Amino acid sequence: GDSVTQMEGPVTLSEEAFLTINCTYTATGYPSLFWYVQYPGEGLQLLLKATKADDKGSNKGFEATYRKETTSFHLEKGSVQVSDSAVYFCALVGRGSTLGRLYFGRGTQLTVWP
Amino acid sequence: KAGVTQTPRYLIKTRGQQVTLSCSPISGHRSVSWYQQTPGQGLQFLFEYFSETQRNKGNFPGRFSGRQFSNSRSEMNVSTLELGDSALYLCASSSNPGSDNEQFFGPGTRLTVL
Repeated sequence: GDSVTQMEGPVTLSEEAFLTINCTYTATGYPSLFWYVQYPGEGLQLLLKATKADDKGSNKGFEATYRKETTSFHLEKGSVQVSDSAVYFCALVGRGSTLGRLYFGRGTQLTVWP
Repeated sequence: KAGVTQTPRYLIKTRGQQVTLSCSPISGHRSVSWYQQTPGQGLQFLFEYFSETQRNKGNFPGRFSGRQFSNSRSEMNVSTLELGDSALYLCASSSNPGSDNEQFFGPGTRLTVL
């Protein structure tokens, strides 16, 4: 079945450091891929998405490229800020009988120190 | 446009009781999904409703049920509560359950079972 695997962390970085959070997926066909972010005490917010192979999603300095050859969708940011501290979830959306259902990775806790 | 609202935000119940959680989607959205978030299992899909019909169901026991009203508001019910039902319950809405449509999450209801 469909699934997502992401590095679980926690990840601790200094401000302005480079961030990578790895995400790989297993799915039938080519699902749409997402990164969601969850700040303390809040629900999930969509950070970026990519709907087909080689698409690059980007938002707020974060980027992720849909790589079908490696079934990956790694999240990157060149220079993190304290305000980026949150939990990040990689996800894919089901197709066919599971259309619309989101499959999430376990989440990666990111803490950025000033 | 108002976001997804969930009530109540916090609930404390005891084992054996039942609970009803409510979700109001973004105006015009007809699809509502429910997810359970726990530290041990992460984010797990409960069910999805579209135009008052359950279209998709996750792997949860029959104690977990839901429904959707004609105004797209949704409720989920958990009967005979167990300690393991303690979790953050998240509701998400989208305009339709297509694979590329963003799902907007509410802040969640934090359920504690004593």
